[in-house]
Amino acid sequence: QKEVEQNSGPLSVPEGAIASLNCTYSDRGSQSFFWYRQYSGKSPELIMSIYSNGDKEDGRFTAQLNKASQYVSLLIRDSQPSDSATYLCAVNEGRGADGLTFGKGTHLIIQP
Amino acid sequence: DTGVSQDPRHKITKRGQNVTFRCDPISEHNRLYWYRQTLGQGPEFLTYFQNEAQLEKSRLLSDRFSAERPKGSFSTLEIQRTEQGDSAMYLCASSLGARVSGNTIYFGEGSWLTVV
Repeated sequence: QKEVEQNSGPLSVPEGAIASLNCTYSDRGSQSFFWYRQYSGKSPELIMSIYSNGDKEDGRFTAQLNKASQYVSLLIRDSQPSDSATYLCAVNEGRGADGLTFGKGTHLIIQP
Repeated sequence: DTGVSQDPRHKITKRGQNVTFRCDPISEHNRLYWYRQTLGQGPEFLTYFQNEAQLEKSRLLSDRFSAERPKGSFSTLEIQRTEQGDSAMYLCASSLGARVSGNTIYFGEGSWLTVV
């Protein structure tokens, strides 16, 4: 069974610091990887996507992918209180399948 | 607003009643997905359509759940004989379905179901 694992947290980070969120996945055939942000009571909002090994930067966000280790991470630089949310790691199931498998999410709290 | 639209946003129903949710995807997107999310969990994939064809339905939670996309545009998700365990947020999402770019999926605001 395909699984995506995340530490549920809460992860508490001081304002202005770097928040580091981690995710592992079980299916080696997975080809696409996504980070979604979800505020309480709201729907998931796409933050980053990554498809190749290495780093991908977008503003204060950097996604990192290591397919050999089956590991995806999200770094948030200069963390702001508005970054406080649940961050969901999602993996496309690969090999032609098109649904996303989500982790349970990491609850991030940015302390002012 | 050109995002994914869902209706109703909130539904309270009595156990045993049928409910139907509607989803209007982003206009140029040909793939449409349904997910369910319960408290403290990530979204759980239920089914998806490529245009009007339902390509995956084995993950619908039971035979009480069904989905349609008759003209390849909007979709409906119906739950028959609702149970209290069906209480959740039902999320619709859509995508272009471009495999090369990774098929980025965008979610609607969700439809909250409470079964009493």
